[in-house]
Amino acid sequence: GENVEQHPSTLSVQEGDSAVIKCTYSDSASNYFPWYKQELGKRPQLIIDIRSNVGEKKDQRIAVTLNKTAKHFSLHITETQPEDSAVYFCAASSDQTGANNLFFGTGTRLTVIP
Amino acid sequence: GAGVSQSPSNKVTEKGKDVELRCDPISGHTALYWYRQSLGQGLEFLIYFQGNSAPDKSGLPSDRFSAERTGGSVSTLTIQRTQQEDSAVYLCASSPRARPYEQYFGPGTRLTVT
Repeated sequence: GENVEQHPSTLSVQEGDSAVIKCTYSDSASNYFPWYKQELGKRPQLIIDIRSNVGEKKDQRIAVTLNKTAKHFSLHITETQPEDSAVYFCAASSDQTGANNLFFGTGTRLTVIP
Repeated sequence: GAGVSQSPSNKVTEKGKDVELRCDPISGHTALYWYRQSLGQGLEFLIYFQGNSAPDKSGLPSDRFSAERTGGSVSTLTIQRTQQEDSAVYLCASSPRARPYEQYFGPGTRLTVT
């Protein structure tokens, strides 16, 4: 089955700096890669996603890049703000099994220091 | 519109008792997932329902765990003879037929087994 690894587990950045979180996956059939943000005590929320026919996707200060050959994808947050502090989870999915399960990474706790 | 709802929000139970957790998915969503999140940990997949198909139970940790989805909507997760290691936040998510990969999470049920 799919195995998703996520690094780093914790990340501290100064406000205004950029943050990068990286994930690798094992199943070459995976074709959908979402990112979730989970603030303390709250539910995970989808913030951005990318499909395997796209190499990069941007939404304001957030961007995701995908390298299918190397089987890795990354989340980039620019001009970080204190409200970006949260745990971020990457995930990978394939529809080929028919299960549509998302396989999650172990999460990255991002702290933005004011 | 209304999001995924779960009840109860908190449940404290004694070891050995049975508990039922409820999930109301977003209206019209055909897929429903249950996850478990232990304190400070990632998301552990438990079970997946898609329409009238047989559920994918591959993530259930033991036969004490079971889940039902009646009428293709509401789901209940049942844990029999609870153990202390069952203490966690149980998250439910649903996704629409047109975009089965986009999972929307409920607020979770925090289960504490004493």
